[in-house]
Amino acid sequence: ETGVTQTPRHLVMGMTNKKSLKCEQHLGHNAMYWYKQSAKKPLELMFVYSLEERVENNSVPSRFSPECPNSSHLFLHLHTLQPEDSALYLCASSQDWGQGIRDTEAFFGQGTRLTVV
Amino acid sequence: AQTVTQSQPEMSVQEAETVTLSCTYDTSESDYYLFWYKQPPSRQMILVIRQEAYKQQNATENRFSVNFQKAAKSFSLKISDSQLGDAAMYFCAYRSMGNQFYFGTGTSLTVIP
Repeated sequence: ETGVTQTPRHLVMGMTNKKSLKCEQHLGHNAMYWYKQSAKKPLELMFVYSLEERVENNSVPSRFSPECPNSSHLFLHLHTLQPEDSALYLCASSQDWGQGIRDTEAFFGQGTRLTVV
Repeated sequence: AQTVTQSQPEMSVQEAETVTLSCTYDTSESDYYLFWYKQPPSRQMILVIRQEAYKQQNATENRFSVNFQKAAKSFSLKISDSQLGDAAMYFCAYRSMGNQFYFGTGTSLTVIP
């Protein structure tokens, strides 16, 4: 068990579809993250949840909608995506989030490879 | 905003040799953390090594070590005795005290048998 599990591993969807990505962490962490990884670009932070509250939303289009029902689960709901949204979506978690937190490491899932056709 | 630059998109090394991956960053903060993450074909990002900016001593983890030059804002990763399993994408990352992570664009490392 990796600690952070993402499903599905691969997803192909049409531009009019609605789908959801799921992330689950078994580490007892309080903070969870969604990142977008595109080729030749730095990882882009999309959303941060701390104690189930959204604390960061980095100008992400509304066609991406996160949900954090509890501290162990994080979803990314997708609707009317564009081909440029095709990427690897990574979920991560860390013990806490906030100013001055010393426990620093982020743990990542294996990602969902999303292709929008 | 902080930026992390990895100027080597691709690197290769002979098995058992040593390779150094470069990373520079830009920040106005005095306290922060730096990381090297490895992303093998399985796609899961795995922490390789971390460095706390207030510590002058370079971090080491077995065959992995860093050269942290705070004044130069440089954080290179040295892999000694390279193994086939070291082949992966390597990402340098900066974590601010506000807990924002900033990643570089990655370096793809090939290990030649």
